[in-house]
Amino acid sequence: AQTVTQSQPEMSVQEAETVTLSCTYDTSESDYYLFWYKQPPSRQMILVIRQEAYKQQNATENRFSVNFQKAAKSFSLKISDSQLGDAAMYFCAYRSARPVQGAQKLVFGQGTRLTINP
Amino acid sequence: DAGITQSPRHKVTETGTPVTLRCHQTENHRYMYWYRQDPGHGLRLIHYSYGVKDTDKGEVSDGYSVSRSKTEDFLLTLESATSSQTSVYFCATTHRASGGPNEQFFGPGTRLTVL
Repeated sequence: AQTVTQSQPEMSVQEAETVTLSCTYDTSESDYYLFWYKQPPSRQMILVIRQEAYKQQNATENRFSVNFQKAAKSFSLKISDSQLGDAAMYFCAYRSARPVQGAQKLVFGQGTRLTINP
Repeated sequence: DAGITQSPRHKVTETGTPVTLRCHQTENHRYMYWYRQDPGHGLRLIHYSYGVKDTDKGEVSDGYSVSRSKTEDFLLTLESATSSQTSVYFCATTHRASGGPNEQFFGPGTRLTVL
């Protein structure tokens, strides 16, 4: 079974600075997808960024980028120019590229609570 | 947000009572999922559905059952609620079988407290 680990329960950063959230995962599969979700106080789950394991190029979405190290099974999220609206719980998630019955089951990490200091 | 609603949004109940949570979607998505969120555990899959009347167990299915009699509705039932089932429950949907990193859409969540 796949597992996802986020070893930083809480992180804080000064507004406008850069912060990196860590995520490691364990799998025996070679083909899979990785995601970062943001959960603000509203509880809504918002997809931030996604990465295909077969792509060597790291995904980027505006101020959000990932450092995907497949051999090390590491998938960190970098947030540049942090803004107050970035304050949230962030979840790393794994999904197999060969889903059973087509269902795209996500395996989540424990989450990292990010605080932005003004 | 794929038009996903959950009802109720909040519920307080007593140990031993049955509870049913409803997920309703308006996007005609084939796949639906129930997760629970607990501190220190992130979200964990309870059950999922891959079509009408087609369901299967997830990682933490003990004490839960589901039903899907039509595409738009996915019900999660706690036959006899226990305090360990106090949690926030999320419904999610995906449109089609994996052909890429398709986004999974989440509902707003239901906070359930079992006293």
